[in-house]
Amino acid sequence: QKEVEQNSGPLSVPEGAIASLNCTYSDRGSQSFFWYRQYSGKSPELIMFIYSNGDKEDGRFTAQLNKASQYVSLLIRDSQPSDSATYLCAVKRYNTDKLIFGTGTRLQVFP
Amino acid sequence: GAGVSQSPSNKVTEKGKDVELRCDPISGHTALYWYRQSLGQGLEFLIYFQGNSAPDKSGLPSDRFSAERTGGSVSTLTIQRTQQEDSAVYLCASSSRTGDRSRDSGANVLTFGAGSRLTVL
Repeated sequence: QKEVEQNSGPLSVPEGAIASLNCTYSDRGSQSFFWYRQYSGKSPELIMFIYSNGDKEDGRFTAQLNKASQYVSLLIRDSQPSDSATYLCAVKRYNTDKLIFGTGTRLQVFP
Repeated sequence: GAGVSQSPSNKVTEKGKDVELRCDPISGHTALYWYRQSLGQGLEFLIYFQGNSAPDKSGLPSDRFSAERTGGSVSTLTIQRTQQEDSAVYLCASSSRTGDRSRDSGANVLTFGAGSRLTVL
């Protein structure tokens, strides 16, 4: 079992819809969770991070964390074609600064 | 510097040659990471440096890979006797780090460089 798992996609949504991206992790000692966006040929850039159970909102983005079920999700409201990218989930365990990344989910937003 | 700087941006080498990839982190960032990303794949952790602590080398795939960080700043990733399977984009990232692990203030937010694309023929 991989430490961080994501569906590779592609996830296709129409413009204006809500895109829902999911990530599961295996280590219950995981403490912090990060979502990065990576455009084709570019480096990853941080969207947001979360470490408490529940929701965290930042503009059109909402991260949701459920530690009991060991999953974290990213919702993108009012999806735009410019949101088309690969979304990487990353997990940090307690007492280490190493971030483990999933393989990413490719999102396609069509007009 | 303003961002994480990596060089070379592109490197083509012959199988069996050694290569060195360089990373200059954001000024003041104490943590430095190396990841590898093969075509269409996620980020594979290689090594992590934090201040003067011993590096976490748990992700290095073989003893052909090594890295050092001089003066707590610039890092060099060396791959000896390159193989075709080493072809990938090598990404360096840095982050600031507080000493408090009990609460995550975002101190582990990684800023990535543009990467070094390595092609082994």
